[in-house]
Amino acid sequence: NAGVTQTPKFRVLKTGQSMTLLCAQDMNHEYMYWYRQDPGMGLRLIHYSVGEGTTAKGEVPDGYNVSRLKKQNFLLGLESAAPSQTSVYFCASSYQGVVNSPLHFGNGTRLTVT
Amino acid sequence: GENVEQHPSTLSVQEGDSAVIKCTYSDSASNYFPWYKQELGKGPQLIIDIRSNVGEKKDQRIAVTLNKTAKHFSLHITETQPEDSAVYFCAASTYSGGGADGLTFGKGTHLIIQP
Repeated sequence: NAGVTQTPKFRVLKTGQSMTLLCAQDMNHEYMYWYRQDPGMGLRLIHYSVGEGTTAKGEVPDGYNVSRLKKQNFLLGLESAAPSQTSVYFCASSYQGVVNSPLHFGNGTRLTVT
Repeated sequence: GENVEQHPSTLSVQEGDSAVIKCTYSDSASNYFPWYKQELGKGPQLIIDIRSNVGEKKDQRIAVTLNKTAKHFSLHITETQPEDSAVYFCAASTYSGGGADGLTFGKGTHLIIQP
């Protein structure tokens, strides 16, 4: 099993450009999450999904949109990138939610906005 | 919302010694406390967790303790080895059902094992 796969691994954007980060999991997990990791800030939850067709806001959702059209995929979109969105983005999934089953993380996407 | 404080930010220990990382949380309703290990260039990986109805949990060289009254929990690693070098994150969850989900993470501790 591949687990959680994120694409791309690296990306450089100019301010105002848009892009979509892709996350795919092959573990048949119901729950999926997007976190961002910044130096000295730990991991902060952007958006999450408790099942196909559902999404919900996390701690830092502004400037991002998400979609969960298929159970195995969770997409994170930046409509108009800003330098403050320079970060490492991690996708994660879990079988029954964070309390009942562990988070499985991908290896991250490093995004730089200039 | 929940706030998780983690200390120290960097910890250097001699190989074979013990390491202790401490976290405090703010929401007394938090009921689940996992610890994640992140190696360079990879995503975090769960290493141990504890629930609010348990005071201590061990798994080989790793243990976690929870003090609900003081609202703090700690990770203990004994007989440290070079492969323990990584960034460790504590987290807390106040999951209460109804579709809400997610963890609040501490800011991380960079553990360095000196040979």
